[in-house]
Amino acid sequence: SAVISQKPSRDICQRGTSLTIQCQVDSQVTMMFWYRQQPGQSLTLIATANQGSEATYESGFVIDKFPISRPNLTFSTLTVSNMSPEDSSIYLCSVEDNDRTTDTQYFGPGTRLTVL
Amino acid sequence: GQNIDQPTEMTATEGAIVQINCTYQTSGFNGLFWYQQHAGEAPTFLSYNVLDGLEEKGRFSSFLSRSKGYSYLLLKELQMKDSASYLCAVTGLPGTYKYIFGTGTRLKVLA
Repeated sequence: SAVISQKPSRDICQRGTSLTIQCQVDSQVTMMFWYRQQPGQSLTLIATANQGSEATYESGFVIDKFPISRPNLTFSTLTVSNMSPEDSSIYLCSVEDNDRTTDTQYFGPGTRLTVL
Repeated sequence: GQNIDQPTEMTATEGAIVQINCTYQTSGFNGLFWYQQHAGEAPTFLSYNVLDGLEEKGRFSSFLSRSKGYSYLLLKELQMKDSASYLCAVTGLPGTYKYIFGTGTRLKVLA
């Protein structure tokens, strides 16, 4: 399975600022996903990011708030814009196994964001 | 809509067997996944079921019944390190490759 790293691992930010989270994979992957996990909750998909196309956002998430870049097959960024305390959460990226027969996803270690 | 349900919390004793259930109602189905997530860590892949029946992997087994929209994760010979959240996820919604995650089950293993 792919090895996935995320930066930063955690951050504390002020209201109204923006934070860009990086996701790096050690192999080329087609499908990358960004999730949010609020304290004590399960994972909620923010968007699907494929290289060479615009990200596809889920209901309740918009590009102006969560712009995503996917410049190549090993890297993606998620920006949390104009942050408020409600954005405090863990943000995780995942990639789909290159063995497309199972659609298995593997997750990065996550970025723990606290907004004051 | 899409709905995946799991019990919120379960408690079991070290050495015992525990079964974590997952029921789903989704507009499509192409597979069901179980993930383990320790506090403060990323989810790690445990198992995948696409056909009815039982898949066994060491101390962990996962069962699927597509006609009933039902799966369970069976953990045998529980160890303290099995204390974690267990997440059920379904894939196969039409036109997408995305997962829909269940609510997650927090399992506490007691000595």
